[in-house]
Amino acid sequence: RKEVEQDPGPFNVPEGATVAFNCTYSNSASQSFFWYRQDCRKEPKLLMSVYSSGNEDGRFTAQLNRASQYISLLIRDSKLSDSATYLCVVKPGNTPLVFGKGTRLSVIA
Amino acid sequence: NAGVTQTPKFQVLKTGQSMTLQCAQDMNHNSMYWYRQDPGMGLRLIYYSASEGTTDKGEVPNGYNVSRLNKREFSLRLESAAPSQTSVYFCASRQPLSPFGRGSIRTPNTEAFFGQGTRLTVV
Repeated sequence: RKEVEQDPGPFNVPEGATVAFNCTYSNSASQSFFWYRQDCRKEPKLLMSVYSSGNEDGRFTAQLNRASQYISLLIRDSKLSDSATYLCVVKPGNTPLVFGKGTRLSVIA
Repeated sequence: NAGVTQTPKFQVLKTGQSMTLQCAQDMNHNSMYWYRQDPGMGLRLIYYSASEGTTDKGEVPNGYNVSRLNKREFSLRLESAAPSQTSVYFCASRQPLSPFGRGSIRTPNTEAFFGQGTRLTVV
C-alpha cells in the first residue's frame, strides 16, 4: 500500500459545482497534513493545512479522520481559476513530507 | 521576497555529462529537500537535509549526490547524467516545529516552500 493515495482523477466539473477530493495515508503515526495546489508547469504551493478538528478557508474545507486515516478537501462554488492539480501531503513523524500523486481538477465554463 | 531560488530553470544535457543544480533559501529554514516530478509518479524525494551539516537519502537517491553547503544552500549533483534522469526537479525548504510547538490542536503545521523548478532533459 502506498503511503499516500489519492483519487486518480481527472475531475471535470462545471463552474459553480461542489467537488470533493479524498486521500488516505498508511502511516498511523503521521502528525501533519496538508493540501497543496500545483498549477501546470509551476511549483506546488500550500493551499491549506488540515487540522484535527477540521478547518475552512473561504470556499475550501479540509477534514481529517485519524481513525480511518483519511483526509478530504471540499471545494464549493468552483471557479475556473480552481483548475489545477491538488496534492495530498502527509508528514509521518520525524521524516520528510510525503506527497500523493495528485488529482487534476478542470473547471469548465 | 525571494523564498527558494533554483538555478538553472532549464537544462539539456548529453548522456554522461555532469551538472549541479543550485538551490538557495532566504527564510532561515533548517530543512531542505530535493524532489523530482515525473508524469504519473508524483513528487519523489531524492535527498534531504534536516539541518546544516546533515544529509540523508530519500526514495530515489541513485545517480545523485548532494551538498548542504551552509544553512542557505543545498545543491544536487548529477555525476553522469542518464536519460532516466530527465525530469522536473524541485528544491524545497521547511522550518520544522520546535518541541514546544507539538501537541496543540491549533498549532500551525509548518509548510514547505518550493523553488520554481528545473526542467532537465538528458539526451
